[in-house]
Amino acid sequence: AQSVTQLDSQVPVFEEAPVELRCNYSSSVSVYLFWYVQYPNQGLQLLLKYLSGSTLVESINGFEAEFNKSQTSFHLRKPSVHISDTAEYFCAVSEGTGRRALTFGSGTRLQVQP
Amino acid sequence: DTAVSQTPKYLVTQMGNDKSIKCEQNLGHDTMYWYKQDSKKFLKIMFSYNNKELIINETVPNRFSPKSPDKAHLNLHINSLELGDSAVYFCASSPRQTNTEAFFGQGTRLTVV
Repeated sequence: AQSVTQLDSQVPVFEEAPVELRCNYSSSVSVYLFWYVQYPNQGLQLLLKYLSGSTLVESINGFEAEFNKSQTSFHLRKPSVHISDTAEYFCAVSEGTGRRALTFGSGTRLQVQP
Repeated sequence: DTAVSQTPKYLVTQMGNDKSIKCEQNLGHDTMYWYKQDSKKFLKIMFSYNNKELIINETVPNRFSPKSPDKAHLNLHINSLELGDSAVYFCASSPRQTNTEAFFGQGTRLTVV
């Protein structure tokens, strides 16, 4: 069965500093990987996804994530964060066969401080 | 032009009551889901439908019953509400069952008192 681990429940960081949010997954088959962002009292919005091809994927607002099959990781990074990036970030995995629904990690609260 | 819409956004009700949450998507997607987000923000799949057919039914009390009258709608009915049912319930849809992301609604915050 697939599972997702986000080791950091909270990540405080100062504005304009770089940040990395860690995500590791466990699966016995090929996977598709996603990062979602949830702002307070809102639904989840897709930030970026890895389905196939280049292992480095980018979002329109400066985030990037790299799929590392050997380390079963999909860490999210941003070189310079803004106050507006403060939110809850969820890593999710979907297997190519079988269950086919998203399995989410427990989330990481990114708190950007001025 | 809302893609996935849920109603109501907030629902406060007493223990023992029966309530429904409605979900509609106008994206033309084949697959719809219900997820539950608990107080610690953990998200867990409850049900999934593909073209009105139930394909995922996780270990959820049978007080929860999904209904899909057509592929654009997936409603969730909950009988005999309990305190532990308090959570945020998210509806989502995707174009197909796999190899794609899910699009989420804004959520329904259910509070059982």
